[in-house]
Formats: sequence, structure tokens, C-alpha cells
Amino acid sequence: NAGVTQTPKFQVLKTGQSMTLQCAQDMNHNSMYWYRQDPGMGLRLIYYSASEGTTDKGEVPNGYNVSRLNKREFSLRLESAAPSQTSVYFCASSGMTGQLNYGYTFGSGTRLTVV
Amino acid sequence: QKEVEQDPGPLSVPEGAIVSLNCTYSNSAFQYFMWYRQYSRKGPELLMYTYSSGNKEDGRFTAQVDKSSKYISLFIRDSQPSDSATYLCAMSVTGNQFYFGTGTSLTVIP
Repeated sequence: NAGVTQTPKFQVLKTGQSMTLQCAQDMNHNSMYWYRQDPGMGLRLIYYSASEGTTDKGEVPNGYNVSRLNKREFSLRLESAAPSQTSVYFCASSGMTGQLNYGYTFGSGTRLTVV
Repeated sequence: QKEVEQDPGPLSVPEGAIVSLNCTYSNSAFQYFMWYRQYSRKGPELLMYTYSSGNKEDGRFTAQVDKSSKYISLFIRDSQPSDSATYLCAMSVTGNQFYFGTGTSLTVIP
């Protein structure tokens, strides 16, 4: 099925451990995004990649790094996990033609707990 | 002040009712407006998309944008139990960095 695939779906980390969240899309979209979703805070943009080879910080980038490996894949890395990074992480992709944005397609999320 | 404000609810309505969901925003440069539906423990899915201002209708759903008041709305007609979900508004200046509301939880009672 076409869409956005995230792995893993669940993860428990100890404080200070590192991990990489993987994301891949098969819709030939140029833009990819990482969001986190916390109760009462909504979805907040961590990093995005408007096209292959570019990445930009979003609203809450501290403590994260990203890599746009190719057009399909966009990974999010936590170098030294902290309890404040306990959240649900969503990857999304979107296609644009000129000024028309066709909206995000979201993955199913990664539920991360840092203890 | 948050970029986007949305009443979290919860909102509970009987089946068949008309539902009105709203968001306000502070940045007058926003020109992309979207509504997403999110079922429990799932990713958000796009419902409606509007560029600039005006109304858009798709089946039972109507999205309205009032840029002069910095106010957007989503109307759901003939609401169904399957509409029970959290509804998120989102908006952007460039189409790349979207700001989301916190979501309104809706329950449609059979």
C-alpha cells in the first residue's frame, strides 16, 4: 500500500541512550517532516526536508538530528535521550506543485518512552 | 500566544447533528489551511485543504476560512458515530512549516 512507513512502532529507551527513527515514503513526494505530538501541545514540527539534500529546523529541533538519505527516506536521531523526549513521533510527506500543497500524508507513529 | 488556538473540547453530539469545529490564529500571513482527522492511536489523515480564503465542500464536510477575522471552521453535516475522532486544524505561510492546533475531541452518540 502506498504511504508513509515508520519504524519502530514502539520503543523504550533509558536516559542517555541513542536511537534512530526510520521513515520511508513511496509517493514520490519531495518534502518530508518529523513531528512530535504531546498531550495539550498538539503536533510540533521538529525538522523538515523540503527536497532531497536539504534539511531545516522546525519549532522544536533541540536534542534531535535528521538525515535525508534519499528522496524516499528521512530519519530522525536522538543522540542522548531525555525523559522530555517521551512522545509520539510522526513522520509525514507532502507533494507540492507551484504554490499548491497537497497536504501531508502521515505515518502511523512511533511511541517513544524514555525512562 | 500560540500561533493557532483550538478548543480541545470534548464535544459530544447526537447522531445526525451538525458539528462546528473552529480555530483562530494570529499570523495574518497564513495562506494554507487544512483539517485533519485523527483516530485514537493512529496518524492524522487529511480531510480538507484550502488555499487562501473562501469555502470548500466535500460530501458532508465544509471548510470555511475567514482571513479578516483570522478564523477557520469545519462543519460536519449528518454526523455519524464513525466521525468520532480528534480533529486538528493546521495552517502555514509557505506550505512547508505547518502549525497545528491542539485538536478537538468529538464523540457522536448513536
